[in-house]
Amino acid sequence: SQQGEEDPQALSIQEGENATMNCSYKTSINNLQWYRQNSGRGLVHLILIRSNEREKHSGRLRVTLDTSKKSSSLLITASRAADTASYFCATETWSDYKLSFGAGTTVTVRA
Amino acid sequence: DSGVTQTPKHLITATGQRVTLRCSPRSGDLSVYWYQQSLDQGLQFLIHYYNGEERAKGNILERFSAQQFPDLHSELNLSSLELGDSALYFCASSGQKANYGYTFGSGTRLTVV
Repeated sequence: SQQGEEDPQALSIQEGENATMNCSYKTSINNLQWYRQNSGRGLVHLILIRSNEREKHSGRLRVTLDTSKKSSSLLITASRAADTASYFCATETWSDYKLSFGAGTTVTVRA
Repeated sequence: DSGVTQTPKHLITATGQRVTLRCSPRSGDLSVYWYQQSLDQGLQFLIHYYNGEERAKGNILERFSAQQFPDLHSELNLSSLELGDSALYFCASSGQKANYGYTFGSGTRLTVV
């Protein structure tokens, strides 16, 4: 079973627009991470937010975490065609020694 | 290059056969994780090894087994293969410190015919 659920499942935006995707999870976590996967390739770690953090930035990425609602959001600003990929949230708990992934959001950036 | 090396990149084999997937973790990482990615099941955690010891087990079938060797490379053995085992198999590694991301390899695409 998967810990996280992303919303929406798919997103299509114009280059230059912002893309926002959400993730909800079920149990208490140690941290939440976002990964990007280009078609059929390996996952690339984007950003990690700890359970005691509320917001984090990395370049054009902004992640928020609301542990009371068990949810997170990933914002990609000023999107580019190269941002076309699937984005996954993953949670790590204190006891599990693994990452549990959601089903992912497929983002298409139109030129 | 992420630093995690997986071989082979592609594998086509027949039902009932046995295959071995290999993973070399990023230099210095003691943890190795195996994941299976299929269209219908998404990314499923299979197993985690830390410095040669099994640390966590996920939805790994009895026909599948893994080990981590003293040089820290890991192998995932899949036997009595079925059509439904066709998937992308990823290996990831992580260091000793908590709250750092995992580094994934580029995966092995297994096709069972």
